[in-house]
Amino acid sequence: GNSVTQMEGPVTLSEEAFLTINCTYTATGYPSLFWYVQYPGEGLQLLLKATKADDKGSNKGFEATYRKETTSFHLEKGSVQVSDSAVYFCALSVTGGFKTIFGAGTRLFVKA
Amino acid sequence: EPEVTQTPSHQVTQMGQEVILRCVPISNHLYFYWYRQILGQKVEFLVSFYNNEISEKSEIFDDQFSVERPDGSNFTLKIRSTKLEDSAMYFCASLTAAKNIQYFGAGTRLSVL
Repeated sequence: GNSVTQMEGPVTLSEEAFLTINCTYTATGYPSLFWYVQYPGEGLQLLLKATKADDKGSNKGFEATYRKETTSFHLEKGSVQVSDSAVYFCALSVTGGFKTIFGAGTRLFVKA
Repeated sequence: EPEVTQTPSHQVTQMGQEVILRCVPISNHLYFYWYRQILGQKVEFLVSFYNNEISEKSEIFDDQFSVERPDGSNFTLKIRSTKLEDSAMYFCASLTAAKNIQYFGAGTRLSVL
């Protein structure tokens, strides 16, 4: 079946530190991959996406590259800010109108 | 930018009562979804809906749950007799076949007392 595994949190970083949140997936077919962000008390926002192998999604300084050979989609940011504190969800969706499958989420705390 | 709208933002109900959560998907989207997130846990798929019928549902989506698209714009989730464990954030999402991206609403927080 299809599944997503992401690193457990919480992750605590100082402002301007480098961020990596690991995500690996298992899927039949060729999934699209996503990172969603959930700020405290809010809903899910799409952060970035990649729809095929070697695609790089990027937004707001965050990046993730779709690696088919390692079935990974790690999220990175070169310099985090306090405002990046949130829960980050890695997710996949198989084409054809199918559901999105989410990882467990990784909570990020950024200290000033 | 078009968005998915959910109402109410917070619903408080007594155990055993029926609740209806409402969603207005993006207007040209054809696939509709409900997800649930119990506080502090992962987002779980409940049901998908296409062409006026359920296309897939999870084990969570038992006989207490139903979905409906009563008109051309609304998509509703009904819980017939709420239980304490139904307390969660419920997210609606919609998708167009042209792009495999689900757009999520801000969610309805359901509190069952």
